[in-house]
Amino acid sequence: DQQVKQNSPSLSVQEGRISILNCDYTNSMFDYFLWYKKYPAEGPTFLISISSIKDKNEDGRFTVFLNKSAKHLSLHIVPSQPGDSAVYFCAAKRVEGNKLVFGAGTILRVKS
Amino acid sequence: GAGVSQSPSNKVTEKGKDVELRCDPISGHTALYWYRQSLGQGLEFLIYFQGNSAPDKSGLPSDRFSAERTGGSVSTLTIQRTQQEDSAVYLCASSLVEGKLFFGSGTQLSVL
Repeated sequence: DQQVKQNSPSLSVQEGRISILNCDYTNSMFDYFLWYKKYPAEGPTFLISISSIKDKNEDGRFTVFLNKSAKHLSLHIVPSQPGDSAVYFCAAKRVEGNKLVFGAGTILRVKS
Repeated sequence: GAGVSQSPSNKVTEKGKDVELRCDPISGHTALYWYRQSLGQGLEFLIYFQGNSAPDKSGLPSDRFSAERTGGSVSTLTIQRTQQEDSAVYLCASSLVEGKLFFGSGTQLSVL
């Protein structure tokens, strides 16, 4: 059962435009959500997170939005840069417990 | 070292052989995780260690998989009698702050 779903396998965006990556989850016990970025041949790196008590968290060009009623979160990157081209993973954690449940990832390509 | 170190970076083995994958976490990180990523899939949780607590082994796919963490630091993931479906990138991560994982570059395991 996929508790965290990233339904778009890939996304292509022009440099300077906004990139929007989406993530849906099914488990209402999740209370903390994270985005990780992965370049080829490297491990994922933490990008940004949001607690379930918030609906928005911003860090520079990156903003994560959380819609608890819809069990949906999104990552906005603006403006997109070619160096943002990577695989983006959405992850979630339950109130109790420490393991992160990851989505399948979305490949972002930013064209210059 | 500054980051999580995994060895070997690549491992090719024959079906039925045993393999050992090693992880050196970031010094001082109390939590250590093993995940794997099969081709085209997301990150699949395998096992989690936290301090001296009993590990969370709920993600290990079969009894051929085992892991240990010695002295609260280095961890070894062992796969006995490898099968072709074990082929994947095995990622180790460590954490000090709950939810924010630092990943190594992974071990690419290929079972022929």
